Amino acid sequence: GDSVTQMEGPVTLSEEAFLTINCTYTATGYPSLFWYVQYPGEGLQLLLKATKADDKGSNKGFEATYRKETTSFHLEKGSVQVSDSAVYFCADTLGGSNYKLTFGKGTLLTVNP
Amino acid sequence: NAGVTQTPKFQVLKTGQSMTLQCAQDMNHEYMSWYRQDPGMGLRLIHYSVGAGITDQGEVPNGYNVSRSTTEDFPLRLLSAAPSQTSVYFCASSYSGGRGYEQYFGPGTRLTVT
Repeated sequence: GDSVTQMEGPVTLSEEAFLTINCTYTATGYPSLFWYVQYPGEGLQLLLKATKADDKGSNKGFEATYRKETTSFHLEKGSVQVSDSAVYFCADTLGGSNYKLTFGKGTLLTVNP
Repeated sequence: NAGVTQTPKFQVLKTGQSMTLQCAQDMNHEYMSWYRQDPGMGLRLIHYSVGAGITDQGEVPNGYNVSRSTTEDFPLRLLSAAPSQTSVYFCASSYSGGRGYEQYFGPGTRLTVT
């Protein structure tokens, strides 16, 4: 079955450091790919997405590119802030099955001043 | 729009008790889903619905029932609570118009079974 693997945390960075969180998927075909973020005590919210190969999703300074050849969707940010401290989840879904996300296990990011 | 709402926010149950977690959305989304979040496990799909009257099992359905009598509501029932069901439960909804539409999540219900 489909699975999503993301780098294990926790990740601790200083403010203004570069962030990469790796994510790979196993789904065949052309899944849609997502990064969700969960701030402490809250539900998940969409950070960015990509629906086809070579698409780049971006939001709030975060970026991720859909790489079909490596089945990857790595999350990057050039300069993190304390307010970026959260848990980040990579997820995919096949075709139009938007009710059926497969999630990675999540990566806890802590950014120190 | 209130988005996706869930009640209660917190609940403590004894083993063997039953209860219903409520979920409602006001975005007229066809798709709704229930997930549970456990430490180190990410989110796992319990049940989902693609429209009123239509439900199906996800990855971890045992011990849970759902029904969808209206577009807006999608309650999750625990039939006989067990300590293994201690978790945070999230309800989500999504537009059904095609690929790539995001799921909108509720704030979660933190359930403890003693």
